[in-house]
Amino acid sequence: DADVTQTPRNRITKTGKRIMLECSQTKGHDRMYWYRQDPGLGLRLIYYSFDVKDINKGEISDGYSVSRQAQAKFSLSLESAIPNQTALYFCATSERDTEAFFGQGTRLTVV
Amino acid sequence: QKEVEQNSGPLSVPEGAIASLNCTYSDRVSQSFFWYRQYSGKSPELIMSIYSNGDKEDGRFTAQLNKASQYVSLLIRDSQPSDSATYLCAVNGGTSYGKLTFGQGTILTVHP
Repeated sequence: DADVTQTPRNRITKTGKRIMLECSQTKGHDRMYWYRQDPGLGLRLIYYSFDVKDINKGEISDGYSVSRQAQAKFSLSLESAIPNQTALYFCATSERDTEAFFGQGTRLTVV
Repeated sequence: QKEVEQNSGPLSVPEGAIASLNCTYSDRVSQSFFWYRQYSGKSPELIMSIYSNGDKEDGRFTAQLNKASQYVSLLIRDSQPSDSATYLCAVNGGTSYGKLTFGQGTILTVHP
């Protein structure tokens, strides 16, 4: 089993719908991240969390919200999906300032 | 100014050559530096991490860090077609403590 698991792996949703992307990890790391990837733009940080009570906005948090339900779980929500949120989304975890470990990614399409 | 900048490429090198990938960062007190490789549609995977000035070698890969110039690079020796991928530079620590920031990636193509 993967150390960082994202669900769903693929999702097609309609404009205006609420959608949640889930991430769970078995590495025991405190830090968790959500990134969005668009062609030519690398990975852009949406939100990051140091622990259950510490959640921070990244560079592109507008239109997104997150919930850290437990040390191992970090969910990303799109309250009202729009087409320009179509992208590949990655969850990642790390221990302090060391390397990040990534989930398999969620390909989201908003039509 | 972007926090982490890379040459977007694409960079094309012949098989067996040295590929040189460059990255600059804006936060002078950044502490941790990483190079990831990403194949199309897949997750990024760590190639190298470097935390102090100088060179760090691992097999065909060498990471170079110069904190005074705020510059980190990755050299790939004896490039292989299987090295064709997008390479992502990432920076952690500094004034934005704990925030892992990525550059836009450099697409590398190694042709036979």
